[in-house]
Amino acid sequence: GQQLNQSPQSMFIQEGEDVSMNCTSSSIFNTWLWYKQDPGEGPVLLIALYKAGELTSNGRLTAQFGTTRKDSFLNISASIPSDVGIYFCAGVSMIKAAVNKLTFGGGTRVLVKP
Amino acid sequence: DTEVTQTPKHLVMGMTNKKSLKCEQHMGHRAMYWYKQKAKKPPELMFVYSYEKLSINESVPSRFSPECPNSSLLNLHLHALQPEDSALYLCASSQDRGLRTEAFFGQGTRLTVV
Repeated sequence: GQQLNQSPQSMFIQEGEDVSMNCTSSSIFNTWLWYKQDPGEGPVLLIALYKAGELTSNGRLTAQFGTTRKDSFLNISASIPSDVGIYFCAGVSMIKAAVNKLTFGGGTRVLVKP
Repeated sequence: DTEVTQTPKHLVMGMTNKKSLKCEQHMGHRAMYWYKQKAKKPPELMFVYSYEKLSINESVPSRFSPECPNSSLLNLHLHALQPEDSALYLCASSQDRGLRTEAFFGQGTRLTVV
């Protein structure tokens, strides 16, 4: 099946730092989505990307849909403590008419530097 | 409003019990999903309903039985579960029209099978 490689698996941040994470795939996706998940909660949609090359921002978050449609990255600028959590990328592919499937990356765990 | 509501939030059940998880959305979305998520792992797709019809079953054991009574509701009936079925069960919905394929998740039901 399709596999998404998300890196890094984990990272430590210090308040004020910029952080980056990315996802790569062996397959093409129609849409890339980025989610954040806090412990015990469901994933919350951060950014949706619909076109190859698209660069989209949501506050301190910026994400890009790679030109080959096989990759995407997410940047968080000037990180703050509440940025801690697990970030997932997800690629959307159409299985059949009106039926889409999300494939998730393995997640990037963002932690605060002790 | 991008709210998907799941009940209950927590559930403990014995291996001989029958229980149901419920999911509701009022965004007019025509696709609804069940995912299973184990600790420190990404969500895994179980079922996809499109226009109230089961479109995808990812080879899920028959002890999990989905039901879509109408376009706003999605249930997951549980019977004779095993301890390894303990996980966070997530419901999601998406519009699935044109480019709008982003999925919105509920808070999840934390299921413990004893």
